[in-house]
Amino acid sequence: DAGVIQSPRHEVTEMGQEVTLRCKPISGHNSLFWYRQTMMRGLELLIYFNNNVPIDDSGMPEDRFSAKMPNASFSTLKIQPSEPRDSAVYFCASSFGQTSSYEQYFGPGTRLTVT
Amino acid sequence: AQSVTQLDSHVSVSEGTPVLLRCNYSSSYSPSLFWYVQHPNKGLQLLLKYTSAATLVKGINGFEAEFKKSETSFHLTKPSAHMSDAAEYFCVVSQSASKIIFGSGTRLSIRP
Repeated sequence: DAGVIQSPRHEVTEMGQEVTLRCKPISGHNSLFWYRQTMMRGLELLIYFNNNVPIDDSGMPEDRFSAKMPNASFSTLKIQPSEPRDSAVYFCASSFGQTSSYEQYFGPGTRLTVT
Repeated sequence: AQSVTQLDSHVSVSEGTPVLLRCNYSSSYSPSLFWYVQHPNKGLQLLLKYTSAATLVKGINGFEAEFKKSETSFHLTKPSAHMSDAAEYFCVVSQSASKIIFGSGTRLSIRP
């Protein structure tokens, strides 16, 4: 398996623009997670899907952020409008199962820079 | 409530010497505990996990960790450091799929 695939790997955009990050989880995994990593706040869980349904989005910072999972093999995280404070590395991870004992497999991340 | 504290933000050891990365946690229930490693510009990779089986857990690349409930600790060790071990290490506590807390990370440097 190719692992979790994220695109793009790097994104540079101007404040106010819409940004869409994409993720393809590992085939057969039924849980998907979006994280944000910054120097100041470390790794933060933004949203968690199970069987394509959002289960917990309490980590989504504000209404400018939205996430979808239209099918088991694809998810998007959208920021509209983007702001400089959104600059971070965004990771997608997937796992099999929804209990705490299942390890997560992380993608390589998307480095977002908002100028 | 749950939390995780990595006691050292940076650890530096010489190649061939032992590695100790310290992690303390708190959890209302029996948690699952993990160590992940992140190499520069890469995603996180699982090193090992504890899920209430054996208290001494062996992971990849010679790493192991011991779960000590009385001390609420889950320290990561390796007998002999290798240059390729230089990376950021994260201790993680999880009570459920969405209640997952990452530590602040420990940067491990290896001196030749």
